[in-house]
Amino acid sequence: EAQVTQNPRYLITVTGKKLTVTCSQNMNHEYMSWYRQDPGLGLRQIYYSMNVEVTDKGDVPEGYKVSRKEKRNFPLILESPSPNQTSLYFCASSPHSNYGYTFGSGTRLTVV
Amino acid sequence: EDKVVQSPLSLVVHEGDTVTLNCSYEVTNFRSLLWYKQEKKAPTFLFMLTSSGIEKKSGRLSSILDKKELSSILNITATQTGDSAIYLCAVGNTDKLIFGTGTRLQVFP
Repeated sequence: EAQVTQNPRYLITVTGKKLTVTCSQNMNHEYMSWYRQDPGLGLRQIYYSMNVEVTDKGDVPEGYKVSRKEKRNFPLILESPSPNQTSLYFCASSPHSNYGYTFGSGTRLTVV
Repeated sequence: EDKVVQSPLSLVVHEGDTVTLNCSYEVTNFRSLLWYKQEKKAPTFLFMLTSSGIEKKSGRLSSILDKKELSSILNITATQTGDSAIYLCAVGNTDKLIFGTGTRLQVFP
C-alpha cells in the first residue's frame, strides 16, 4: 500500500531533550516536506526537500533540522525542544512540489 | 508574501443542505490549487485544479478555479453527517503548497 509512515504517533517530552520524528515513504516520491499544524494558524511548512541531499527552509524552520540521505526517509530533528514546539506535525510526500501531497498520520508532540 | 484565505471559518448546516466554501489566494508563480478534507488526523486529497483543468467533480463534491479572480469554490450538495470535517485549500507554486487555515464544516442530522 502506498503510504507515508510517521513515528511516533504521540510523544510527550521535556524541554531540551533531543528527539527525532521519523518519516518514510514507499512511493519513490522526489519531494518531501514537514508541516506543523496549530489552531488558527493552519498548516505551516517547516522544511522541504526536492531530492536526496537537497533541503530548504520553509516558513517556520527555527528550532528544527532535517536530513535527506535517502529518497524514502526524511526525519525531523528537534535538537532542544521547547514548549512552543508543542504541535501536531505532518510529513508529506509528492512526485512534485505543487502536486497532490500524501500525508502521514501525524505526530502529536507535547513539550513540557 | 504568499497567502491563501478561506471563508467562512466555520459553517453549521443540516443534512441535505448545499454548501459553498471559498478560497482566495495571492501566490507568486501559481501552478495549482488543491482541496483537502481533514477529519480526525491527516488531510486527504480531494481535487487538484490547474490552468488546464479548472473544474472538477466527484459525486456530490465539485470545485471550480477562477484564475481571473484568483479564487476557487468547493461545493457540496445534499450534505451528509460524514461530510463534517475541516476543508483545506492549498495553492502550489514552484516550491511548495501554501495552505489556508481551513473551513470547519459541521453537518447535523
